[in-house]
Amino acid sequence: EVQLVESGGGLVQPGGSLRLSCAASGFTFSGYWMNWVRQAPGKGLEWVANIKQDGSEKYYVDFVKGRFTISRDNAKKSLFLQMNSLRVEDTAIYYCATGGPSVAFGVDDWGQGTLVTVSS
Amino acid sequence: QSVLTQPPSASGTPGQRVTISCSGSTSNIGSNFVYWYQQLPGTAPKLLIYRNNQRPSGVPDRFSGSKSGTSASLAISGLRSEDDGDYYCAAWDDSVRGYLFGTGTKVTVL
Repeated sequence: EVQLVESGGGLVQPGGSLRLSCAASGFTFSGYWMNWVRQAPGKGLEWVANIKQDGSEKYYVDFVKGRFTISRDNAKKSLFLQMNSLRVEDTAIYYCATGGPSVAFGVDDWGQGTLVTVSS
Repeated sequence: QSVLTQPPSASGTPGQRVTISCSGSTSNIGSNFVYWYQQLPGTAPKLLIYRNNQRPSGVPDRFSGSKSGTSASLAISGLRSEDDGDYYCAAWDDSVRGYLFGTGTKVTVL
């Protein structure tokens, strides 16, 4: 059974930084693209970033480019999201989610999410 | 960023059939697989349909997906009270190089 457990969320001031982690189990982590997806309170789903199996390709939504960095450690079956220069509008639940064998495949399995609150 | 457009709401009585549309463009739905997700109140999203019309194991056959050109649709037949929630379509977009989610449809079982 696929399990994705996010951690690292919390309250941070505007301009601050946070590093989210996702521990994966139950599947061959190194065989799949991985994603971060977020959901602001009361709003819809918003894809944030994804990363190729070996980390050689990464894609980001426009409004996080230059501020967020996605990375992975296949040996530790872990996915990360380094978030810098955080803004109030980055407040959301952040979900770790599996992708497919290629970039055009969709998001399959989801974690339970970790809440990031950006507020002064 | 591009968006996939869904109706904001849909409703039906138990046993009825409800259909949700998802409108995109040639760079997303027209070129790539469509996925559908169900999000029940207070829970994480769950994959409902993958690769346009495939159901993961455990998803009832009351849920079905289809795609034609730059549009897709999700049908829920035999509507049940536990289907009450939000539904999102999604597809990779070759132009923006990003994964797009639909605007979401709230399904209400009357």
